[in-house]
Amino acid sequence: EAGVAQSPRYKIIEKRQSVAFWCNPISGHATLYWYQQILGQGPKLLIQFQNNGVVDDSQLPKDRFSAERLKGVDSTLKIQPAKLEDSAVYLCASSVMDRQPQHFGDGTRLSIL
Amino acid sequence: GESVGLHLPTLSVQEGDNSIINCAYSNSASDYFIWYKQESGKGPQFIIDIRSNMDKRQGQRVTVLLNKTVKHLSLQIAATQPGDSAVYFCAENTSGGTSYGKLTFGQGTILTVHP
Repeated sequence: EAGVAQSPRYKIIEKRQSVAFWCNPISGHATLYWYQQILGQGPKLLIQFQNNGVVDDSQLPKDRFSAERLKGVDSTLKIQPAKLEDSAVYLCASSVMDRQPQHFGDGTRLSIL
Repeated sequence: GESVGLHLPTLSVQEGDNSIINCAYSNSASDYFIWYKQESGKGPQFIIDIRSNMDKRQGQRVTVLLNKTVKHLSLQIAATQPGDSAVYFCAENTSGGTSYGKLTFGQGTILTVHP
């Protein structure tokens, strides 16, 4: 079974620029999650999708972050404009359904200059 | 606010010893718990999970214990190997204000296994 795929693996941008991350979950997984992991901390949930609908985006900074999962499969997370404090690893995870093990990709490491 | 915490930020053991990683949680409504292993440059890897209607669950070389009375979770690794060296996170699943669960991670424990 193929795991969660994410791209790019690394991204370096200047503050105020835009950036987008892509995630392809495990086939058949209805639930998709985006997390932010700052160095030395555990992952923090940004947004959760059930199929193509958002079920929790309470911790997403909506003034600069957006995410979509239009066809209920792949997902993109965008930051516009980026701030220095956005430097982190952005992790995508998927699960068969809610309250089942979440399986993570290896993330995108974002550095803001 | 509610949070998941770890008692020990670092743990060093000798190869072959048993390891115990502890985790305290504060949300009595948490109904599902997961342990993850994270190696440098990789995403968290699922190890084992346990639901709140259970006290113990065993996997291959790992055992998770849940004590709801004192809100404590532990991960036991038998015959620890150098490949077990990583950061270990516990995570609790609670309702995030919707009918869906929300996973909250602790800070992590660094496990170092010496040959």
